[in-house]
Amino acid sequence: KAGVTQTPRYLIKTRGQQVTLSCSPISGHRSVSWYQQTPGQGLQFLFEYFSETQRNKGNFPGRFSGRQFSNSRSEMNVSTLELGDSALYLCASSLEALGSGNTIYFGEGSWLTVV
Amino acid sequence: GNSVTQMEGPVTLSEEAFLTINCTYTATGYPSLFWYVQYPGEGLQLLLKATKADDKGSNKGFEATYRKETTSFHLEKGSVQVSDSAVYFCALTTNDYKLSFGAGTTVTVRA
Repeated sequence: KAGVTQTPRYLIKTRGQQVTLSCSPISGHRSVSWYQQTPGQGLQFLFEYFSETQRNKGNFPGRFSGRQFSNSRSEMNVSTLELGDSALYLCASSLEALGSGNTIYFGEGSWLTVV
Repeated sequence: GNSVTQMEGPVTLSEEAFLTINCTYTATGYPSLFWYVQYPGEGLQLLLKATKADDKGSNKGFEATYRKETTSFHLEKGSVQVSDSAVYFCALTTNDYKLSFGAGTTVTVRA
C-alpha cells in the first residue's frame, strides 16, 4: 500500500513568487492536513481538508491556501513568498477527520527554500 | 485552545540506558494522543498512539500510557540503541480538526 506522496521534494523560489505543493494521500483516506516545520517555530498546523471541505485552519496569513479534490488529493499554495516561508511542508492523511482517533500518516515533506 | 508541552532536551544517553520523555497536555474534550519520531532529513513516523484514558500504546520497545488524571503521555524505553537517535514529538487531536504538536525532543544515543 503506497504511503502519503508529496511533490516536489525540493524546490527553490524567489521572494514574491508563488508555489504550489501537491499531496496524494493513502488510498481510501479522506482527510488531508498540512503542516509547516521550521527550526524556530517547530511543527505548526496549517489546515485540514475532509471530503473537499476545509475543516480548520491554523494561524497563518491568507497567503497560505489549499484545496482538496474529489479523489482526496490536495494542494497547498503560498503566494507572494517571503524569506520566512522557507520550511519543510508536511502533508498527512487519515481515514477520517482529525480528532477521530484514526492513525495519521505523514509524507516525506517538501523542502521549500525562498531566496 | 489545545496545547502540548514536552521536555525539549537535547537528551544524550548511552546505549542500553533508560529513556523517558515527559509530555503533558491541555485539551478540551477527550483527546487522542500520539508520539511521532523524525529521523534526520525525513518526515514523521508514528511511533504509538492512545485514544482513551488508561490506554497504553507500545511499539518497537517504546511505551506510553494515557493518564487523564495527570494529563500526561510520557514516552519510555527500557534500553535505547544508537538507532533510536532522532527527534520525538508528542501530539494530540480533539474534535477541533487539528493536530497540535509539542516542541520536540532531540535524543542522541552514544555507543
